[in-house]
Amino acid sequence: AQSVTQPDIHITVSEGASLELRCNYSYGATPYLFWYVQSPGQGLQLLLKYFSGDTLVQGIKGFEAEFKRSQSSFNLRKPSVHWSDAAEYFCAVGNQAGTALIFGKGTTLSVSS
Amino acid sequence: DTEVTQTPKHLVMGMTNKKSLKCEQHMGHRAMYWYKQKAKKPPELMFVYSYEKLSINESVPSRFSPECPNSSLLNLHLHALQPEDSALYLCASSQRTDPYEQYFGPGTRLTVT
Repeated sequence: AQSVTQPDIHITVSEGASLELRCNYSYGATPYLFWYVQSPGQGLQLLLKYFSGDTLVQGIKGFEAEFKRSQSSFNLRKPSVHWSDAAEYFCAVGNQAGTALIFGKGTTLSVSS
Repeated sequence: DTEVTQTPKHLVMGMTNKKSLKCEQHMGHRAMYWYKQKAKKPPELMFVYSYEKLSINESVPSRFSPECPNSSLLNLHLHALQPEDSALYLCASSQRTDPYEQYFGPGTRLTVT
């Protein structure tokens, strides 16, 4: 069965520092992978997605993610974090039936000044 | 317009009440979703509508009753809820042919007393 693991429950980074959030997936075929962000009390916003092709994908708000099939990973990165990036980040994979997303448990990002 | 709207933002109801949550989108999406999200947890899929027909019910108790009156509107009727049903209820929509790229509303924060 498909699954998504986000190993880090909570990460704190200093404003201006670089960020990497980890995501590992379990999937038999080529996965459809996503990163969503959720600010407190808000819905989820799609940051970026990977379907095929170039393994480095660019998203909104200066985020990027790299798909590494050999490591079953899809880590999210940002070179310089802003205080407004503090939020909950969810990695997700599309299920094989093509009907729904399977979310990881999420990583809470705190940004210190 | 890439917005999904949800009303009300907050709802407090007793266990004997009947209430409804409303979701609306005007992006021409023909797939709509209800999710339940508890604090510090990922969203859990409840229902999927495709072309106004219920296509997925993730074994949700009958005290939750979805309805899709037209292609832009999705309701969730609530009756005889339990305190453990208190959560953030998220609505999302997507193109029928791209079920993974979902646009989420801000959610309704439901408290059952």
